Amino acid sequence: GQSLEQPSEVTAVEGAIVQINCTYQTSGFYGLSWYQQHDGGAPTFLSYNALDGLEETGRFSSFLSRSDSYGYLLLQELQMKDSASYFCAVSPAGNNRKLIWGLGTSLAVNP
Amino acid sequence: GAGVSQSPRYKVTKRGQDVALRCDPISGHVSLYWYRQALGQGPEFLTYFNYEAQQDKSGLPNDRFSAERPEGSISTLTIQRTEQRDSAMYRCASSLGHDGNTEAFFGQGTRLTVV
Repeated sequence: GQSLEQPSEVTAVEGAIVQINCTYQTSGFYGLSWYQQHDGGAPTFLSYNALDGLEETGRFSSFLSRSDSYGYLLLQELQMKDSASYFCAVSPAGNNRKLIWGLGTSLAVNP
Repeated sequence: GAGVSQSPRYKVTKRGQDVALRCDPISGHVSLYWYRQALGQGPEFLTYFNYEAQQDKSGLPNDRFSAERPEGSISTLTIQRTEQRDSAMYRCASSLGHDGNTEAFFGQGTRLTVV
């Protein structure tokens, strides 16, 4: 089976940098995704790592270490609008693109 | 369409009734997924289609739940003899489905309340 762990809550101030960690245990693994979800909204895709290393997309970066079964999402130059829940999700091995999700990290960005 | 469209947005039904939830994916998207999301939790996988073929239904909770995508586009999730525990947000997502492209686009969901 699969399980993912991430912190339940993180608080930061505008302009700061925050890192949200995700550790996973899977019977098979294809890649690690990150999604953002604002209250009442739909999850929206942020990034995907299939290979070890850092993927950078604007203010957001995501990192994966397969050997450590670990990844993180790095958010830089935080803005109030970044207050949301952030989910890591794994794709099992093979052609199945379903996502198994963590419980999410609620990020509060304060002025 | 421009995005994934789900209908209805809200559904209140009496226990024991059947409900059908509709998902209209982004045009050209091969893969379609159904998830269920409880408040404060991540989405829970239900089932997944490539074109019209149901590839994985391992997440469907029991045989009251079924899904179809007969023409490889619009999909319907049907819940028979609804129970209060079925109350949740049901989300549909679609993706291009090509190897290496995993970005899933989610609809706004259907909030189902069973009373």
